[in-house]
Amino acid sequence: RKEVEQDPGPFNVPEGATVAFNCTYSNSASQSFFWYRQDCRKEPKLLMSVYSSGNEDGRFTAQLNRASQYISLLIRDSKLSDSATYLCVVHGGGFKTIFGAGTRLFVKA
Amino acid sequence: IAGITQAPTSQILAAGRRMTLRCTQDMRHNAMYWYRQDLGLGLRLIHYSNTAGTTGKGEVPDGYSVSRANTDDFPLTLASAVPSQTSVYFCASSGLAGGEQFFGPGTRLTVL
Repeated sequence: RKEVEQDPGPFNVPEGATVAFNCTYSNSASQSFFWYRQDCRKEPKLLMSVYSSGNEDGRFTAQLNRASQYISLLIRDSKLSDSATYLCVVHGGGFKTIFGAGTRLFVKA
Repeated sequence: IAGITQAPTSQILAAGRRMTLRCTQDMRHNAMYWYRQDLGLGLRLIHYSNTAGTTGKGEVPDGYSVSRANTDDFPLTLASAVPSQTSVYFCASSGLAGGEQFFGPGTRLTVL
């Protein structure tokens, strides 16, 4: 079993749709969690950190469920510019940061 | 410089050749990392450094070496390249281990 697993997609959604991604992790001692965005042939960039209480940034909401060991990302009112690959990142302490393989999202007009 | 730079942008290399990928950051971050990204596998950590003068092995260190002579530079060396090292290589830095990582634009390496 991979330490961090994501549905690779692709998710194809129309503009304005709401879409949600989940990511599961295997290490129950994991300490911090992030969602990164990666555009085609570009470097990953931090989208948002994921806090135990959940957090929201505009159209984006991230949730952490420690009991079930997953994090989620919800995107509301999808824009064409949201088309990208979304990477789930789990930090297990020290320098043990594990990146998921990513979920591809295509938003179409 | 603003952030992290990497050089070269891309390279085609004959198997058996030695190659050094360069990485420089100007954010005064203590921690630096080298990852490779392959289709379907996500980013995998090759080596890391938590401060100048110290380095550590990541998930896939074999065939690679690093050095950290100062805070800003973190070069990655392939002593004798093999085709399985064909990949996209990203350098990253963070202020703290486990914190937000800032990535360079990547180096696309092809080993023939």
